Amino acid sequence: DIQMTQSPSSLYASVGDRVTITCRASQSISTYLNWYQQKPGRAPNLLIYTASNLQSGVASRFSGSGSGTYFTLSISSLQPEDFATYFCQQSYITPRTFGQGTKVEIK
Amino acid sequence: QVQLRESGPGLLKPSQTLSVTCSVSGGSISSGSYYWTWIRQPAGKALEWIGRIYTNGRTNYNPSFKSRVTISLDASKNQISLELTSVTAADTAVYHCARDFPGPESLDYWGRGTQVIVSS
Repeated sequence: DIQMTQSPSSLYASVGDRVTITCRASQSISTYLNWYQQKPGRAPNLLIYTASNLQSGVASRFSGSGSGTYFTLSISSLQPEDFATYFCQQSYITPRTFGQGTKVEIK
Repeated sequence: QVQLRESGPGLLKPSQTLSVTCSVSGGSISSGSYYWTWIRQPAGKALEWIGRIYTNGRTNYNPSFKSRVTISLDASKNQISLELTSVTAADTAVYHCARDFPGPESLDYWGRGTQVIVSS
């Protein structure tokens, strides 16, 4: 299975901060990398697909980049509704695998 | 707007069979070219992909579940089902269903999940 490693596992930030989360794959996955947001008790929400494509309806402050084994999710100006857990997922091969998640908390 | 809602037993004893259902509204599970996927999340751990079923009934399973897992769909009820046999405490998790959109190969709609606890 492809291992997905996210960092950091948690971070503290303030409203207005720029935040970057990284995700590394144990082997090359081209751009088959998706990012999701999850809030407690809610269904996960797709933010970015195939590394850099913004899902319809998602705020433009979210962006993704990368290819091969290294990927990033950035939030340009953190908003109160962005405090949540974010996780990456490879869709290169089955079984699909996920990062362990990054919890973004209020400083 | 597609919506998914999972329902399950809540509490199971070890060695029993877990059966969870995903009810889909806002679209037919047998139309379009989608996979319907099951994912679980043990408390404090990463999400784990269990498997998926295509609209034609073809399935892909995570080998880590060996022969314990079966995913099926019932077009007449617009539901997808997950069965996991011989459960242990390690199967305690929130079980989510999601729609997998081929092409982008992304999970574009999810249910909020159903908690299953395995305990004697």
